[in-house]
Amino acid sequence: GEDVEQSLFLSVREGDSSVINCTYTDSSSTYLYWYKQEPGAGLQLLTYIFSNMDMKQDQRLTVLLNKKDKHLSLRIADTQTGDSAIYFCAEKEGNTPLVFGKGTRLSVIA
Amino acid sequence: DGGITQSPKYLFRKEGQNVTLSCEQNLNHDAMYWYRQDPGQGLRLIYYSQIVNDFQKGDIAEGYSVSREKKESFPLTVTSAQKNPTAFYLCASSIDRSSNQPQHFGDGTRLSIL
Repeated sequence: GEDVEQSLFLSVREGDSSVINCTYTDSSSTYLYWYKQEPGAGLQLLTYIFSNMDMKQDQRLTVLLNKKDKHLSLRIADTQTGDSAIYFCAEKEGNTPLVFGKGTRLSVIA
Repeated sequence: DGGITQSPKYLFRKEGQNVTLSCEQNLNHDAMYWYRQDPGQGLRLIYYSQIVNDFQKGDIAEGYSVSREKKESFPLTVTSAQKNPTAFYLCASSIDRSSNQPQHFGDGTRLSIL
């Protein structure tokens, strides 16, 4: 079955870049998503990428996809304290519901 | 503004009681979903619905029930059979289940046991 893995914690200094990593198992055509969750709130969609793309950039966010290794990363440039949150990677293939990783808790140190 | 509204934000359940969590969307989406979130567990799918009067079990449906009588509404009932209901519950919707358009989420309901 599908599985999505993420490291649970990441700590960075304000102004540095953050890189959050994710691996997935489904090898067929798929969409991959990044969501952000602030404390006590729902999930906010940050960006998504189709598996025939290698990279997508949106302001401070850069998504890199290595299809061979089934590895997805989210880079946040110039990380700010407001970026502190849990970041979820999710995968979708065909008609199946989204499969989420367990989330990476990003802590930004001022 | 279009969006997903979950209510209440906080809910308390007594032993042996059923409680219902509300989820309403005005995005004209066909598909709706319920997830349970526990610390360190990520999101687990409880039920989903592709269209009115149709729904399917997710990975952890035991102790829960849903209905989909209207396109806009997908309420979740946590029954007394769910022995560990304390969690954060998230509702989501998408244009349809087969589309790769992303899911949009409500702000969640936190359920606790009295």
